Amino acid sequence: GAVVSQHPSWVICKSGTSVKIECRSLDFQATTMFWYRQFPKQSLMLMATSNEGSKATYEQGVEKDKFLINHASLTLSTLTVTSAHPEDSSFYICSARRAQVDTQYFGPGTRLTVL
Amino acid sequence: KNQVEQSPQSLIILEGKNCTLQCNYTVSPFSNLRWYKQDTGRGPVSLTIMTFSENTKSNGRYTATLDADTKQSSLHITASQLSDSASYICVVSGGNSGYALNFGKGTSLLVTP
Repeated sequence: GAVVSQHPSWVICKSGTSVKIECRSLDFQATTMFWYRQFPKQSLMLMATSNEGSKATYEQGVEKDKFLINHASLTLSTLTVTSAHPEDSSFYICSARRAQVDTQYFGPGTRLTVL
Repeated sequence: KNQVEQSPQSLIILEGKNCTLQCNYTVSPFSNLRWYKQDTGRGPVSLTIMTFSENTKSNGRYTATLDADTKQSSLHITASQLSDSASYICVVSGGNSGYALNFGKGTSLLVTP
């Protein structure tokens, strides 16, 4: 149990376009979902925390207007990278947590390449 | 500041050999400590989780230890296999924000034939 999926697994886009990444909890309800970014040979960096039905909380330095997060249901959160630039190229990983359970289950990640 | 330091940064071992990875942390208050394995281009997969009262926990060929007094943990891999080649990340939960995860930078392990 506790499987988290991400779609797409990889995406290549042109600079200036927007890209949407989906994160789904397949067999449990996730009251909280997290979005991370990971650059090569670096650890995961938390971008934002989203609770179902409310606005996401962004970490310092993360532009909320650029990285739009929607957590519309207990099984789905989306991250939209707006007006993507090459420096946004990275590995984006989501995780999900059940209510009152101190465990995050990670998705397989999405590789974004902006040309 | 809540920090998680891992050593070594990278490690190369021969297939079949054992190895031990280290994790020191300053996260307080402490909730739990996890070791994750992250294959290249994949999300982290949990290996072990330990709370304050647990000293050791095994998962197959992986054995994690925790010394909450000295705030140190180790991950021992026995009889390494080529598939063990990955990044191993120590993650400590806690701090003033409760469930916040504090990530180490990981140890990159390469197992060679």
